[in-house]
Amino acid sequence: DTGVSQNPRHKITKRGQNVTFRCDPISEHNRLYWYRQTLGQGPEFLTYFQNEAQLEKSRLLSDRFSAERPKGSFSTLEIQRTEQGDSAMYLCASSFTAGGYNEQFFGPGTRLTVL
Amino acid sequence: EDQVTQSPEALRLQEGESSSLNCSYTVSGLRGLFWYRQDPGKGPEFLFTLYSAGEEKEKERLKATLTKKESFLHITAPKPEDSATYLCAVQAKGGSYIPTFGRGTSLIVHP
Repeated sequence: DTGVSQNPRHKITKRGQNVTFRCDPISEHNRLYWYRQTLGQGPEFLTYFQNEAQLEKSRLLSDRFSAERPKGSFSTLEIQRTEQGDSAMYLCASSFTAGGYNEQFFGPGTRLTVL
Repeated sequence: EDQVTQSPEALRLQEGESSSLNCSYTVSGLRGLFWYRQDPGKGPEFLFTLYSAGEEKEKERLKATLTKKESFLHITAPKPEDSATYLCAVQAKGGSYIPTFGRGTSLIVHP
């Protein structure tokens, strides 16, 4: 078990560019979550998948954001036409949800800076 | 709407000086309360899950307790390596397993 991995770890982009982040969850986990975290705040939920189905999206997730989880394995989060307000740490977490047990395990995050 | 309030926002301790962090919550039926540790620039690291009032869990110098309105994270004889931000999160029953996080308590332990 290598844990949750995220790539890239850091991304610097110019306003208006598109960026894509990848998350590889713990292999036996059926749920995958994306969060955004800014300085001094706790993680804010963006969206989650159960297997390959995207089950819920936060109202924070504007139409510039899209996420996929093809075949229920890794996931990608794309931000189109980035804005300076998108600068944040983007966290991915995974869990195995069964019988009420649902601890989420986080990856190291992708730090996005929009210039 | 589920709410989580953590206090204090920041805490400075001397090595060996025990203290407690507080997590007050409002939720329509608690499924679980989670504690995480987060080091600067890294993702949160899972520490504990508590499910019902009266439950306690321990790990090294950390002990988490739960009542119907709040949870405490007790740190006994802390060391500088315990310096981190400690996050609390709650999950409501009947929901979609999406936790609501507090803003965290930033702990600094001085040698």
